[in-house]
Amino acid sequence: QKEVEQDPGPLSVPEGAIVSLNCTYSNSAFQYFMWYRQYSRKGPELLMYTYSSGNKEDGRFTAQVDKSSKYISLFIRDSQPSDSATYLCAVRRGSTLGRLYFGRGTQLTVWP
Amino acid sequence: DAGITQSPRHKVTETGTPVTLRCHQTENHRYMYWYRQDPGHGLRLIHYSYGVKDTDKGEVSDGYSVSRSKTEDFLLTLESATSSQTSVYFCAIREGLAASYNEQFFGPGTRLTVL
Repeated sequence: QKEVEQDPGPLSVPEGAIVSLNCTYSNSAFQYFMWYRQYSRKGPELLMYTYSSGNKEDGRFTAQVDKSSKYISLFIRDSQPSDSATYLCAVRRGSTLGRLYFGRGTQLTVWP
Repeated sequence: DAGITQSPRHKVTETGTPVTLRCHQTENHRYMYWYRQDPGHGLRLIHYSYGVKDTDKGEVSDGYSVSRSKTEDFLLTLESATSSQTSVYFCAIREGLAASYNEQFFGPGTRLTVL
């Protein structure tokens, strides 16, 4: 079983839609949860970071963690064509080595 | 931009030839990582380094070796390239002073094709 499972999509939505991206993870030892955004032919960039269960909001983006069900989500409000990218979830334990375990990524297209 | 450069950005090589990819950082961070990214697999860790001359294997290290003789440079070597090593390779850095917020930042990637 992979440490992190993520539906690869693709997901296609109209501009202005609310987007929901999700991942599940297998090990309750994971304590830190990240979302990376990757544009085509670019490196991943850190989008959101959360430590505990609950919600974290940054502009149009909300990251949600439910540790009891080992479920992490990213919501994008008022989606824009510029949000079209692949979104990668990642988790890690609390060690200083900081090894990340990634989901396969979900490809999102927001059409005008 | 996290001060990470990768070279070369693109490379085409033949099976059996040695290939070295370079990751260079300007931030003096302790931790450096090499990943490969393939369709259907996402990002997978090849090797990582936690200091000069301190390296360890990741989940897909077979066929790869690394070296870190200076803080700013982390080299990934394919001793004898195979077609299965055709991939996009990403380097990442992390400051590594604490287990709390201290996440990885990625370079622009190297697209390697092994014919």
